[in-house]
Parts: sequence; structure tokens; C-alpha cells
Amino acid sequence: NAGVTQTPKFQVLKTGQSMTLQCAQDMNHNSMYWYRQDPGMGLRLIYYSASEGTTDKGEVPNGYNVSRLNKREFSLRLESAAPSQTSVYFCASSEALGGISSPLHFGNGTRLTVT
Amino acid sequence: TQLLEQSPQFLSIQEGENLTVYCNSSSVFSSLQWYRQEPGEGPVLLVTVVTGGEVKKLKRLTFQFGDARKDSSLHITAAQTGDTGLYLCAGAGYSTLTFGKGTMLLVSP
Repeated sequence: NAGVTQTPKFQVLKTGQSMTLQCAQDMNHNSMYWYRQDPGMGLRLIYYSASEGTTDKGEVPNGYNVSRLNKREFSLRLESAAPSQTSVYFCASSEALGGISSPLHFGNGTRLTVT
Repeated sequence: TQLLEQSPQFLSIQEGENLTVYCNSSSVFSSLQWYRQEPGEGPVLLVTVVTGGEVKKLKRLTFQFGDARKDSSLHITAAQTGDTGLYLCAGAGYSTLTFGKGTMLLVSP
């Protein structure tokens, strides 16, 4: 039982390059999320998908796009990477949105450096 | 915007000591979750507290939800080196979870 799988684990980009971070979950969860984690800033929500076919902006969406490909997969795209996007990116999933009885299950992160 | 403040930001103690970590807000949450994150990994849920005044115990860890559902605490008894990690609280409100910035705990032998 893999849970939430993120690829790649590490990535180095040059300013202006693009890339897509992949995330897949095998728990049949409805909701999926992308967070970034920076020192002293905690976890900040980039985008989320409450259910298949819907996506919504979180706290820090600028510079990112997302695609909920199907119920299992939720990708995050950086169209033109900037040094400010250097961070650790976490994908998470939950049974439903809101978290009252739906804790988040996190992947192990993608460590992205933009030079 | 609902905000969660955690204190202290960093705590370094010796094995065997007791400690308490706090999570405070001016907002009311329907429930509050605590996660632990180890280096190089994603956060993992420890507990969810739902009812005001609720106390939950997980071995040496005791979690309390404030009566007004605005704050929570995590108490660790006789800390072990395996308790080292980043402790995050997260409040459930209108939609997505609101995370605090975390308390980094280092337990030395």
C-alpha cells in the first residue's frame, strides 16, 4: 500500500524552465492538495481539488497551475520557474474536504531548487 | 483568515525530560489535528481532537483541546530521541486545513 507517491524526489531547474510535479494516491480519496514548505513559513496551500473535476486556488497559487487528471492523480506545473519557487513541495490527499474526519495523508515531498 | 500560532518555535531537551507545545488561535475550529514530520518525510497524523475540553492520550503523548476550541496543547512525558521531529497543528474550519508553522523538537541522549 503506497499511499501518496510523488515524483520526482529532487529537481534542479534554471530560471525560466518549466516542469510538472506528479502525485498519485491509491486510497480512493476524493480530495487532493499541493503544499509548499519553506523554513519559518510552515505549510502553505498552493492549490487543491475537492473532488475529481474541480480545482481551487489556495493561499499561494501565483506561478503555478494544476490538473486533476483523474481521481488518483493531481499534478502541479511550474510554467516559468523562479528562484522564489525553491521549496519542498508536498502532495496530500484526504477522503473529503474540510478535515473534520478526514486527516491528510502526505507524500514524501519533492525538493526543488531553482537557480 | 484563520491563523494558528505555535510555541515554542524550537525546543531542545535531554532524553527523559517532559515538555509541552502550544497551538493557539483567535478563531474557533471544528476540530484540530496534530502531525509529526521527520526529516525528509511528509507529515504524519498523530491525533484529531474534536470536542472542546477533550483529552486524548497516545502512549507518552497527551493532547488537549481547549474548552472554546481555539487552542490545543501537546504534552510529552519522558521524551525519547525518537520523538525528535517537527510537530504541526492544523485547524479544520470552513474548508481546507489551516496549519501552524510548527515546533521543532530535538531530543538529545
